[in-house]
Amino acid sequence: KQEVTQIPAALSVPEGENLVLNCSFTDSAIYNLQWFRQDPGKGLTSLLLIQSSQREQTSGRLNASLDKSSGRSTLYIAASQPGDSATYLCAVKGAQKLVFGQGTRLTINP
Amino acid sequence: DTEVTQTPKHLVMGMTNKKSLKCEQHMGHRAMYWYKQKAKKPPELMFVYSYEKLSINESVPSRFSPECPNSSLLNLHLHALQPEDSALYLCASSQDPSGGNTIYFGEGSWLTVV
Repeated sequence: KQEVTQIPAALSVPEGENLVLNCSFTDSAIYNLQWFRQDPGKGLTSLLLIQSSQREQTSGRLNASLDKSSGRSTLYIAASQPGDSATYLCAVKGAQKLVFGQGTRLTINP
Repeated sequence: DTEVTQTPKHLVMGMTNKKSLKCEQHMGHRAMYWYKQKAKKPPELMFVYSYEKLSINESVPSRFSPECPNSSLLNLHLHALQPEDSALYLCASSQDPSGGNTIYFGEGSWLTVV
């Protein structure tokens, strides 16, 4: 059974810092890994999708990496802004199911 | 347009009521999903529809009844719910259920059972 872990559970940093969120998974037989953002009381917004054959994806200030063999992914956020405050979820896609980690609650302090 | 639309946004129902949640997408996706999310927890998969047929039921109680009338619509019929069923219900879709496609989520329907 696939298990996904995100560390840390919560993170608070001052504005402007670069930061890294971590995600690990137990079964390397995945199709892809997706990073989502969730604002309080809202749905999930897809940030980045990394296929199992890829090593990284970039979108603006976000960069996600994937090391399938070690079961790890990182989400790098450059020059953080208060608007980046949200919960970040990683999820791995198996044959049909998307399995989520518990999320990292990120707060960027002005 | 990468939009999944869910209605209603908020629903309050009694334990004897019958209500439905609705989900719509016009991206031509052939896989649609229902997830349940409790406060401060990740979403949990409930049902997967693949080409309008139910392909996964994660042992969800029968008081939740999904329906996929066509490739664009997904309903979740609710009957005789319990207060512990109060949660955010998220609909999602992807191009197909297998493989490496992006999954898109709606904004969710907040359900309160009183």
